[in-house]
Amino acid sequence: KAGVTQTPRYLIKTRGQQVTLSCSPISGHRSVSWYQQTPGQGLQFLFEYFSETQRNKGNFPGRFSGRQFSNSRSEMNVSTLELGDSALYLCASSPVTSGGAGETQYFGPGTRLLVL
Amino acid sequence: EDKVVQSPLSLVVHEGDTVTLNCSYEVTNFRSLLWYKQEKKAPTFLFMLTSSGIEKKSGRLSSILDKKELFSILNITATQTGDSAVYLCAGEGAQKLVFGQGTRLTINP
Repeated sequence: KAGVTQTPRYLIKTRGQQVTLSCSPISGHRSVSWYQQTPGQGLQFLFEYFSETQRNKGNFPGRFSGRQFSNSRSEMNVSTLELGDSALYLCASSPVTSGGAGETQYFGPGTRLLVL
Repeated sequence: EDKVVQSPLSLVVHEGDTVTLNCSYEVTNFRSLLWYKQEKKAPTFLFMLTSSGIEKKSGRLSSILDKKELFSILNITATQTGDSAVYLCAGEGAQKLVFGQGTRLTINP
């Protein structure tokens, strides 16, 4: 089974621009979560989607948004980029049921975003 | 506010030593405690713990959860240089994972 894939792997943007990152989960996985990882803050939860609905959201400003498509692929968008948005963005897919059992999450390789 | 705290933040040992990594948590609607190993890329799953007192083991790695005291430990015996990595623990609650800062483990030959 193919793993979680994320595109692009590396991205350089300038302040004020916007960016869209993509995540394709493991086949059959319906839950996709997004995380931001920085040296200072560690891994922080952004949001989680299940069946095209956002089920949970972390403490990030509204500039961070996401969506999930009917094939479970997910995108996240960051508008009006700031220098502090430079980070590794990880997505993780999980085979959770709609009941939200304690399943494991499988991480993609991440997209490394640099904001200049 | 949910939080997960790992200790130590950094650990340097010699090959062959045994190490114990600690993780304490306060997570609303706690469901499970997960351990990951992160080298220079995405975290890879090690263990998921849901029940107190039951040790999970995989080769030289083992982990246990104490739901009364809200902590978990990860043990690595007979460490090897390939064990060098950042070890992350995460508390799962309400369909999200709350991660600790990680423990950076360095194994010197």
